[in-house]
Amino acid sequence: EAQVTQNPRYLITVTGKKLTVTCSQNMNHEYMSWYRQDPGLGLRQIYYSMNVEVTDKGDVPEGYKVSRKEKRNFPLILESPSPNQTSLYFCASSHLRGNTEAFFGQGTRLTVV
Amino acid sequence: LAKTTQPISMDSYEGQEVNITCSHNNIATNDYITWYQQFPSQGPRFIIQGYKTKVTNEVASLFIPADRKSSTLSLPRVSLSDTAVYYCLVGDQGNTPLVFGKGTRLSVIA
Repeated sequence: EAQVTQNPRYLITVTGKKLTVTCSQNMNHEYMSWYRQDPGLGLRQIYYSMNVEVTDKGDVPEGYKVSRKEKRNFPLILESPSPNQTSLYFCASSHLRGNTEAFFGQGTRLTVV
Repeated sequence: LAKTTQPISMDSYEGQEVNITCSHNNIATNDYITWYQQFPSQGPRFIIQGYKTKVTNEVASLFIPADRKSSTLSLPRVSLSDTAVYYCLVGDQGNTPLVFGKGTRLSVIA
């Protein structure tokens, strides 16, 4: 089954404690992306990757890191989480062509206290 | 990236047809028009995509006029389960990142 898998689904952590949210896709997609969603602000892009070892900042990259060492994985790293990073996070992937659709993970609800 | 404008919210009664229009005046030649649906606390889900004229699938229809400066997502006979946020995206996914706006919040009322 084609899918994008995020882990964990829920996470409560403390300020400053490094964490990683994993994202994996099984569709051999070139493009992967991370978004955060906050009430009233829609889906805002954090980072995206067009292929292995190629990553670019989205609209809200501050406080986040990503890596793309393998095609299927695109982890989101919060080196020193802060309460303003409390949000719902989504990972997405798609092929790199004009007429394509993106697939999204189930979401990770992160709370930083 | 082509900027899109769509209504913030819409209300409809069950059984009615709902049309959500998206404006994209600076659409480029290689851009496709894609609509996604998102339920609360779930990731967006692809609904339909088109380049020109009309596209129909089992869920919706997409109408695109000849100048491609706007598009209309049509949901036939909506039910309560169609209550969601609908996003219109315009771009060439072969070259540009997937950027979402705030979407249209559709509320279906019994």
